[in-house]
Amino acid sequence: EVQLVESGGGLVQPGGSLRLSCAASGFTFSTYSMNWVRQAPGKGLEWVSYISSRSRTIHYADSVKGRFTISRDDAKNSLYLQMNSLRAEDTAVYFCGRQDAWGSLDYWGQGSLVTVSS
Amino acid sequence: EIVLTQSPGTLSLSPGERATLSCRASQSVSSTFLAWYQQKPGQAPRLLIYAASSRAAGIPDRFSGSGSGTDFTLAISRLEPEDFAVYYCQHYGNSPLFTFGPGTKVDLK
Repeated sequence: EVQLVESGGGLVQPGGSLRLSCAASGFTFSTYSMNWVRQAPGKGLEWVSYISSRSRTIHYADSVKGRFTISRDDAKNSLYLQMNSLRAEDTAVYFCGRQDAWGSLDYWGQGSLVTVSS
Repeated sequence: EIVLTQSPGTLSLSPGERATLSCRASQSVSSTFLAWYQQKPGQAPRLLIYAASSRAAGIPDRFSGSGSGTDFTLAISRLEPEDFAVYYCQHYGNSPLFTFGPGTKVDLK
């Protein structure tokens, strides 16, 4: 069974940092591209970042470029999102998602809440 | 940059009725990279339709997708109580890599 489990969320002050993790199981993690998607409270879905298999290609949304860094450790079946210089508008539930061959996210984690507030 | 617009914003229907949700792209997109998701409160989104018209694994056949170019549709033939949720369309392309529509809420009339 495919499972994605996020962790690392919490309350952080503006300007602070946080690192999210996504533990994958039930599939060959190293062969899939992975993504982070966030959802601010009461709002819609916003794509955040993409990493291809073997970390060959990385993309970011303009809203996080230069502040967030996506990475993966295939030996640990894990995806990461290092978030620096956090702002109030980064407050959201962050989901990791597995990408299929059609550019869809076929499996999602349960989400990790990040709250940026003083 | 591709922008996805969904209509209506809210659809109020009764169980057993048919739901028709629209997703319009600001420019022509490949149907290969158009998907639909369902999201219930407090839950992660769930993939329903990929490549505009293919049902994801385990999705009931009352859900169907269609369309091409700039206009795409998600239809639910007969609403079940568990279908009341928010539905998002999504495109995979370039800059940004992923674009989501604002969502359509299907609620109980």
